Amino acid sequence: EAGVVQSPRYKIIEKKQPVAFWCNPISGHNTLYWYRQNLGQGPELLIRYENEEAVDDSQLPKDRFSAERLKGVDSTLKIQPAELGDSAVYLCASSSLGQTITYNEQFFGPGTRLTVL
Amino acid sequence: KQEVTQIPAALSVPEGENLVLNCSFTDSAIYNLQWFRQDPGKGLTSLLLIQSSQREQTSGRLNASLDKSSGRSTLYIAASQPGDSATYLCAVPPGSSNTGKLIFGQGTTLQVKP
Repeated sequence: EAGVVQSPRYKIIEKKQPVAFWCNPISGHNTLYWYRQNLGQGPELLIRYENEEAVDDSQLPKDRFSAERLKGVDSTLKIQPAELGDSAVYLCASSSLGQTITYNEQFFGPGTRLTVL
Repeated sequence: KQEVTQIPAALSVPEGENLVLNCSFTDSAIYNLQWFRQDPGKGLTSLLLIQSSQREQTSGRLNASLDKSSGRSTLYIAASQPGDSATYLCAVPPGSSNTGKLIFGQGTTLQVKP
């Protein structure tokens, strides 16, 4: 079974440029998460989707960040315009929340390392 | 607000040693607790998940314990190997419901020397 797929793996851009990340979750997983991980820190949740609905986007900087999951499968996360402080690893995870009441195990992709110059 | 702290931030041990990684959280009303492993430049791999009603979980040389009342969890690694070198992260939900959101600690970076 394929795991969570993310692309690109690395991205270098200049500040004020736009950038987009793509995630394909594990087949059948209805819940998808985008996290940001700064160097030496644990991941922080940006947005969580249940199917196509964004159910928790309280940590998403909505002035420059946007996300979508149109058909409840793949998702894209966009930053426009990027700032120097956006340099981080952006991780996507998925789970089958709701299909088991006992626990929610999240499976992570390899991440996209963004460098803003 | 749930906060998660991991001590130590870094640890270096010789191969074969048994070791303990610590995780503490401020709100003890958690639904579960997960331990993850992260290799350099890679995503996170789930190691163990302990539900709030459990005290421990074991997988191979790994044993994770949970003491909700004191807000602590430990990850015990037996007979450490160089391949265990990685960053270990613990994570808990922000409260007692299973919303899927996780709050992570900063991680403990482990180096096992041959």
